[in-house]
Amino acid sequence: QKEVEQNSGPLSVPEGAIASLNCTYSDRGSQSFFWYRQYSGKSPELIMFIYSNGDKEDGRFTAQLNKASQYVSLLIRDSQPSDSATYLCAVNLRDDKIIFGKGTRLHILP
Amino acid sequence: DAGVTQSPTHLIKTRGQQVTLRCSPKSGHDTVSWYQQALGQGPQFIFQYYEEEERQRGNFPDRFSGHQFPNYSSELNVNALLLGDSALYLCASSLGGGLDEQYFGPGTRLTVT
Repeated sequence: QKEVEQNSGPLSVPEGAIASLNCTYSDRGSQSFFWYRQYSGKSPELIMFIYSNGDKEDGRFTAQLNKASQYVSLLIRDSQPSDSATYLCAVNLRDDKIIFGKGTRLHILP
Repeated sequence: DAGVTQSPTHLIKTRGQQVTLRCSPKSGHDTVSWYQQALGQGPQFIFQYYEEEERQRGNFPDRFSGHQFPNYSSELNVNALLLGDSALYLCASSLGGGLDEQYFGPGTRLTVT
């Protein structure tokens, strides 16, 4: 059974600090990796995607991928109250199907 | 720039009934994927439609079927509804048959009683 694992949280982070969200996946042949943000009662919104090992930065967000460890993370710098949401990790498997984790609830403390 | 639209917003059905949900992709997109999201869970991939054909399918029974029209819009049909089918049904659009860079619609909340 191919899986994507995330800590459900809630993860509480003070405003202005760095929030670190983690995700592990079981299918070593997975090709691409995504982070979505989902506010309560809303649909998921794509934040970042990453294909290659290493870091990818976009504004306050940095995605990190380590295929050897089957680990992908999302860093949010200078966290804002508006960042409070559920963050979903998604993995595109080698057979071109996508699996989402259950999400990590992030709470930014003002 | 028209985003992904879905209808209806909410729906209440009885066990055993059939339901049809509709999705129009983001302007310029030609691929539609459907997801089921239960409360407190991540979205689960149902299937993907590209070039009017089902291209990929997740672990869902044949009660779940779909269709894509020439204008790229799509329908999700669920037959013989079960209580466990109650969920948020999300449609996502993308380009060229891929699953990368998907844009989600607002969803249809289905309640089965």
